[in-house]
Amino acid sequence: DQQVKQNSPSLSVQEGRISILNCDYTNSMFDYFLWYKKYPAEGPTFLISISSIKDKNEDGRFTVFLNKSAKHLSLHIVPSQPGDSAVYFCAALDDKIIFGKGTRLHILP
Amino acid sequence: DADVTQTPRNRITKTGKRIMLECSQTKGHDRMYWYRQDPGLGLRLIYYSFDVKDINKGEISDGYSVSRQAQAKFSLSLESAIPNQTALYFCATSGGTGGGGYTFGSGTRLTVV
Repeated sequence: DQQVKQNSPSLSVQEGRISILNCDYTNSMFDYFLWYKKYPAEGPTFLISISSIKDKNEDGRFTVFLNKSAKHLSLHIVPSQPGDSAVYFCAALDDKIIFGKGTRLHILP
Repeated sequence: DADVTQTPRNRITKTGKRIMLECSQTKGHDRMYWYRQDPGLGLRLIYYSFDVKDINKGEISDGYSVSRQAQAKFSLSLESAIPNQTALYFCATSGGTGGGGYTFGSGTRLTVV
């Protein structure tokens, strides 16, 4: 059973608009969540994280929101830029990282 | 030089052959991991090691083995490769300070024909 779910395989957003990537999880014991970004032919790179004691963490254009009661987190990118086109993985930290299947984000010119 | 180096970058091998993927790191991290990426399936954990004497199975360890030769080296072996092991393989390291501390290699693209 998947513990971290990203139900949208892909998302297209106009440049300059907001991109919202969603993620759900099943294990209420997770206490740390992360987003990784991956370009083709490269390994994933860490983007932003949030502790379960917070409901929001912001870093420049990137904000992650956590709704513990709904077991849901989201990544907001605003404004979206062409370089944001990549695959985004939601992840939860147990004693190791558990990844979702990823969402491919296309930023349209 | 990259913090996490994977060799080879690309490999084509025949069904039934033994193949080893190598990973070395200069981060000084104790924890090392092998993940596999398949289209639509994300990153799945094969094996992980929290120190030189520690080896743990991940969610998809069948058909794979690992060796932690040193703190800096963690290799993944396919004893008898099969076509459904065709995938992109990533090695990662962490210092155990939280998930943001994972550093990934650039990956090895393995094709089993």
